[in-house]
Amino acid sequence: KAGVTQTPRYLIKTRGQQVTLSCSPISGHRSVSWYQQTPGQGLQFLFEYFSETQRNKGNFPGRFSGRQFSNSRSEMNVSTLELGDSALYLCASGQGAGNTIYFGEGSWLTVV
Amino acid sequence: ELKVEQNPLFLSMQEGKNYTIYCNYSTTSDRLYWYRQDPGKSLESLFVLLSNGAVKQEGRLMASLDTKARLSTLHITAAVHDLSATYFCAVDKNSGGSNYKLTFGKGTLLTVNP
Repeated sequence: KAGVTQTPRYLIKTRGQQVTLSCSPISGHRSVSWYQQTPGQGLQFLFEYFSETQRNKGNFPGRFSGRQFSNSRSEMNVSTLELGDSALYLCASGQGAGNTIYFGEGSWLTVV
Repeated sequence: ELKVEQNPLFLSMQEGKNYTIYCNYSTTSDRLYWYRQDPGKSLESLFVLLSNGAVKQEGRLMASLDTKARLSTLHITAAVHDLSATYFCAVDKNSGGSNYKLTFGKGTLLTVNP
């Protein structure tokens, strides 16, 4: 059974640009969530989607957005990139609260 | 705001020794997760604890949950070098619903020395 797949794995962007990250959850998982990991702030929740609806959102500016498609695949977008957006972005999928939540390998974003 | 505190943040131990990592959280929740992260890698799920008094064991690791004390522990028995990693606990704020929102502790960097 394939795990959570994230693309791209590594990317470098320039300040002011935007970026889109993609996540394919484990087959059958309808819940997808996103997290940002940085050395300074640790792991922070971005948002969670279920059946194309955002159910929860973390404390991030509006530059961070996401969506989920009917096949449960999800994308997150960051517009007007700032240096501080450099981080590992992790996608996770699960079958709802109380079940194991599986994480993908992550997308390493560097903003220069 | 939910706060999750882990201690210690750094733990250096010898092979064969036992130790415990503590995870305290600030608001009521009965969903707690433990993860392991190796350098440059993603998070690997270790345990999901869903009720007061829950105890789960896998190999040399055992996790428990005390929801009344808002405390979870991860006990390491007879540590081996392969256990060296960063361990995170995470608490789900949305207790009782089907959705979830994990708040992570800062992680415990465990180094097991020969």
